[in-house]
Amino acid sequence: DTAVSQTPKYLVTQMGNDKSIKCEQNLGHDTMYWYKQDSKKFLKIMFSYNNKELIINETVPNRFSPKSPDKAHLNLHINSLELGDSAVYFCASSSGSRDLSYEQYFGPGTRLTVT
Amino acid sequence: QKEVEQDPGPLSVPEGAIVSLNCTYSNSAFQYFMWYRQYSRKGPELLMYTYSSGNKEDGRFTAQVDKSSKYISLFIRDSQPSDSATYLCAMSDDYKLSFGAGTTVTVRA
Repeated sequence: DTAVSQTPKYLVTQMGNDKSIKCEQNLGHDTMYWYKQDSKKFLKIMFSYNNKELIINETVPNRFSPKSPDKAHLNLHINSLELGDSAVYFCASSSGSRDLSYEQYFGPGTRLTVT
Repeated sequence: QKEVEQDPGPLSVPEGAIVSLNCTYSNSAFQYFMWYRQYSRKGPELLMYTYSSGNKEDGRFTAQVDKSSKYISLFIRDSQPSDSATYLCAMSDDYKLSFGAGTTVTVRA
């Protein structure tokens, strides 16, 4: 059984379009995250939700809007896509315990290409 | 200056060699220090973690943290081709993880 799953795996779209990426975890974790990994492999946190509440919101353009319908799901909607949004987006989850927040489980990633 | 600095490599070693990876950081609030391994086209997975300063060994892997120098290391002994991956250091200030840029390692058979 996949612990953290993301759909779609690949997304190719044109500038100006709006797209969504979905994430689901079956680990019973309370906290979920969105990360962006650029072409140089640099992994940077974008958002974090704990029990459906936004707890981390890094400096991300407001074209990016996360939504957590329940604690097992965290979706990312991106409006007006730009070339610079091309990257691999990873969803991750961790136990709600702060002592265990370092142990994050990552999904397989969604490779977004904006043309 | 980034919070976490890591030489991206790439690093190529023959099978059986010792691989040495390291990161430096600037944020004194970091308490947990991790190494994640990422295979090509996969998500990162936690390899080892250390709380505060000290050494930790797990099989062929040894993680070291020197908080006074703000320097962490990962050593891989008797490296295998299956160790070929990108290794990312990560640090936590109890709020979020900050990652290094990752070092790509290739172990040649």
